[in-house]
Amino acid sequence: GQNIDQPTEMTATEGAIVQINCTYQTSGFNGLFWYQQHAGEAPTFLSYNVLDGLEEKGRFSSFLSRSKGYSYLLLKELQMKDSASYLCAVTLHGDSNYQLIWGAGTKLIIKP
Amino acid sequence: DAGITQSPRHKVTETGTPVTLRCHQTENHRYMYWYRQDPGHGLRLIHYSYGVKDTDKGEVSDGYSVSRSKTEDFLLTLESATSSQTSVYFCATGLAGGTDTQYFGPGTRLTVL
Repeated sequence: GQNIDQPTEMTATEGAIVQINCTYQTSGFNGLFWYQQHAGEAPTFLSYNVLDGLEEKGRFSSFLSRSKGYSYLLLKELQMKDSASYLCAVTLHGDSNYQLIWGAGTKLIIKP
Repeated sequence: DAGITQSPRHKVTETGTPVTLRCHQTENHRYMYWYRQDPGHGLRLIHYSYGVKDTDKGEVSDGYSVSRSKTEDFLLTLESATSSQTSVYFCATGLAGGTDTQYFGPGTRLTVL
C-alpha cells in the first residue's frame, strides 16, 4: 500500500533551524510536495521536488532522495509566524488524471 | 493566489439532512477537488473533477456526491449527513492533474449533530 510518515509535532526556538522529515513507501513515485497550513487556514504551496537534491527558496529549503524514499523541509532563521503545520504529499505516475497521497502533517511550534 | 471561495464557511446541521457545499473559482482551472481534513489524518480526497461534467471518486467517497455543470463551480453534496461527516472540507483547484500545484479554498467547517 501507499504510506507517508511525518512526525506529529515538533518544537523549535525562534531564530534557530529546524528540519521536518517525511518518509514514503509508494509505488510509481513521481514527485513530492510540501505545503504550509496555519491553524484554521487553507494549505499553501511551498515546494515541489522531482529530482534528487536540495532546492532552496529563501529561508526554506526542500531535499529529496528518491532512492531512500525520504524528503525533508529545512526552515532557517525561524520566526514566530512559521508556527504552522507542514504537509508532505507524494504524486504518483501511472494515472493520467490524478494520484496524490498526503501525509498527516507535522505541527511546528516556535517558542521565543 | 487562485481566487477560490467556499460557501458556507460554517454549517451546523442534523443527522439525516442533505447538505450541499459550494466551491467557486475564478482561475479557469480545469481540475477541482474536494477533501476532508480530520485530526490525525492527512487530507483525504472525496471526489475530483477533470472537466465540466467529468468527475471521479476519491478514497473516501461513500455518502458524498458531486456535480460540476460549469468550469467555475464544483458542488459537494452529503446525501444524508451523519456525525462521522463532521469535518473541515477543503476545495482545491489545479491547472493539470496530480503533478500540478493545487490551490486551496478557505475551507468549510461542518458539524453534524
